[in-house]
This record gives sequence, structure tokens and C-alpha cells, in this order.
Amino acid sequence: SAVISQKPSRDICQRGTSLTIQCQVDSQVTMMFWYRQQPGQSLTLIATANQGSEATYESGFVIDKFPISRPNLTFSTLTVSNMSPEDSSIYLCSVIGEDGYTFGSGTRLTVV
Amino acid sequence: GDSVTQMEGPVTLSEEAFLTINCTYTATGYPSLFWYVQYPGEGLQLLLKATKADDKGSNKGFEATYRKETTSFHLEKGSVQVSDSAVYFCALSVWGGSQGNLIFGKGTKLSVKP
Repeated sequence: SAVISQKPSRDICQRGTSLTIQCQVDSQVTMMFWYRQQPGQSLTLIATANQGSEATYESGFVIDKFPISRPNLTFSTLTVSNMSPEDSSIYLCSVIGEDGYTFGSGTRLTVV
Repeated sequence: GDSVTQMEGPVTLSEEAFLTINCTYTATGYPSLFWYVQYPGEGLQLLLKATKADDKGSNKGFEATYRKETTSFHLEKGSVQVSDSAVYFCALSVWGGSQGNLIFGKGTKLSVKP
């Protein structure tokens, strides 16, 4: 199955700043997903990123707040912009490979 | 829309007890069903999956059977261990068009006491 390298693994950020999270996949994949897991909650899909097209955002998530880049079939970034304490969550990327879904190890973000 | 409902936690069991975590789903198509596990401080790991009705997924002593008639995918284990303490997520995916993401239940936290 695909292997995803996600970084940073954790960060503590000041409110009003932005953080960019990177996911690198060891094989080419068409679809990449970004999820948010708020403390004690389940995973919620933020957006789907396909190479060569704009990301598709789920209800409640907007591009200005969570801009996504997908420059090629092995890499994507998610930026959390103008952060507030409510953005404190674990952010995960995921891909579909030949063997099914694989998840990155997650980025634990704390906004102070 | 498509959704997953799973048993509320937390669930606390003694070692060697029998475990059932209920999961039911609503889907317009023919979903694949999954159980994921998240150990404390770790990422999400696939525990087992089933892609069609009557399939049984199994791994590490855990089992779940895809029941189309009851739209269920309950997770079971005959004898839990302390090391099984984790949060368990039921999930589904329905392919078609631009879809392909997983839809997760809220998670069930399991604590196993020695």
C-alpha cells in the first residue's frame, strides 16, 4: 500500500498566523483527501484534491481558510489560514491506492 | 446523504471479555465498509474491511460481517486484551463520480482493564 509522509507532526501556533501541512506519497495517486479531527471527535472531510484541478470543498469549509495545492500526483499541501483556537485539531491526509485507503500520521495543531 | 452511526462510548471491559461495537450505515449506492483503529497518540490504522454483502473482514481476532439486509457492520472480538484499548471508527466509501472519500462514524472509545 502507499506510504504517506506528513509533516509537521505537530505545531503550536499563534492566533492569526498560518500553517502549511505537507503530504508526500511514495506513489502516484489520483485523489487525495484532507480531513480534520477535532478533539474527541471523528474525522470530517475538508476537501478532495485532484491533480490539475481545483480542490472540491465540503460544506462548512472554504478555500480562503483552507487553501490546498496539488502540483503533482505525489504531493499536496493544506494551509490553515488566519488561525484561531477553534482550529486546534489533528489534520490528516489520505489517498486511495491499489490496496485501499492510506492515512498520513497526522498533524496535531494547537493554536494559542 | 450517506452516513454511519456507531455505538456511543466509552466502553469499558475486563480482559478476556467479549466485545461488540455496533455500526449501521445509510448509503445510496453499494458501499465498502471499514473499521479503523486509533491507538492513543497514534494515527489511524485500517483494522478490517468488507467490500460486498455477506463478506466477513477479519484481523487480529476482530471480525465484522457486511449485512446488507440490516445495513450493519458490527465489530466483534471474542476475548479482548488490554492492548486493544483504543478508539474504533466505522466508515464507509461509495464510489462514483468525484466521490471516493471515507465517511466516518463518531468513534467508540474502548478501555480494557486487566
